[in-house]
Amino acid sequence: GEDVEQSLFLSVREGDSSVINCTYTDSSSTYLYWYKQEPGAGLQLLTYIFSNMDMKQDQRLTVLLNKKDKHLSLRIADTQTGDSAIYFCAERSGGSYIPTFGRGTSLIVHP
Amino acid sequence: DVKVTQSSRYLVKRTGEKVFLECVQDMDHENMFWYRQDPGLGLRLIYFSYDVKMKEKGDIPEGYSVSREKKERFSLILESASTNQTSMYLCASTTTGGNEQFFGPGTRLTVL
Repeated sequence: GEDVEQSLFLSVREGDSSVINCTYTDSSSTYLYWYKQEPGAGLQLLTYIFSNMDMKQDQRLTVLLNKKDKHLSLRIADTQTGDSAIYFCAERSGGSYIPTFGRGTSLIVHP
Repeated sequence: DVKVTQSSRYLVKRTGEKVFLECVQDMDHENMFWYRQDPGLGLRLIYFSYDVKMKEKGDIPEGYSVSREKKERFSLILESASTNQTSMYLCASTTTGGNEQFFGPGTRLTVL
């Protein structure tokens, strides 16, 4: 079945850039997502990208997609302590409305 | 402001009790989902529903059942709670063809 892999932890210094990586196996993935989960809360969609795009930028967030390698990354510029959260990568094929989630990457931002 | 609400943020139950977790969405979404979230395991889909009275098993349905009598409400039922069902439970909804799942704040269930 489909699989989405991401590393479990990332620690960065405040003001640095953070890069969270994700790989997926489903070649029919059409939509790729990044969700953010703050402590004690549900998930919230940060951004998504269609599989026919290479890059999407939204303020401090940059999503890069390498479809050949099935690799997705989320770059957060000028990381702040408020960015500390769990970040989930997810993919969905066009024929399904059910996404497959990765296990989540805990981003820790220290001063 | 769109919303998915869950009946409790924290719940403590005893082994063997019947437990009801309620989820309500105000967006007229067709599809609703129940996940459990455990450290290091991410989100695992328990059940989902694509219409009133319709339900489909997800990846880990054992020990759970669901009910969807009204479009806005999706209930998760633990018929006889066990300690291995201690977890965070997240409800979500989406419209068919929609790009975003909207999540509730979660219910942290502890089974003693």
